[in-house]
Amino acid sequence: GAVVSQHPSWVICKSGTSVKIECRSLDFQATTMFWYRQFPKQSLMLMATSNEGSKATYEQGVEKDKFLINHASLTLSTLTVTSAHPEDSSFYICSARPGEGAKNIQYFGAGTRLSVL
Amino acid sequence: QKEVEQDPGPLSVPEGAIVSLNCTYSNSAFQYFMWYRQYSRKGPELLMYTYSSGNKEDGRFTAQVDKSSKYISLFIRDSQPSDSATYLCALGSGNTGKLIFGQGTTLQVKP
Repeated sequence: GAVVSQHPSWVICKSGTSVKIECRSLDFQATTMFWYRQFPKQSLMLMATSNEGSKATYEQGVEKDKFLINHASLTLSTLTVTSAHPEDSSFYICSARPGEGAKNIQYFGAGTRLSVL
Repeated sequence: QKEVEQDPGPLSVPEGAIVSLNCTYSNSAFQYFMWYRQYSRKGPELLMYTYSSGNKEDGRFTAQVDKSSKYISLFIRDSQPSDSATYLCALGSGNTGKLIFGQGTTLQVKP
């Protein structure tokens, strides 16, 4: 149980294009989903927290117009990197929290490697 | 001072060794303590979860929490080459669901 699917696993795009990453909880409903960014040999950096049906809460320094988050249902959240540039190249990981009673446990997707040319 | 401190390693041990991974934290509000394992270019995988001081065992893994010292540990017995990965401690508090992660310790188990 507690499987989170993230798609695509790897994407290469040209500078200036937009890329959408999907995160799905397959066997549970996720009241909250999180999006992280991870640089090589570094820990996870929280970008934003999204709750189903409401606007995402972005961490300080994260451009909300650059990284659009939609949490349309209890099993799906999407991150769109708009007008991507080479500096946006990174490893993006989503996680899902199965309800408030789950005591902060997060289950992670496999991550998406974004390469912007 | 960072909220969570974790020695980044790398840590290299021979197969069969006992591995000790540690994190210290400064905020006594943390109530939930987790260990995640992350293989290269993959998402973190939950290994252990606990919310009280003491030990919790699961197979070859033991998680230890000492709230009075603000210190958590993960012990791996009979380490295997397949345990080679980065281990992240993660701490949480309150209802936001947010986790604070340590820097991660890279472990290599040599056959």
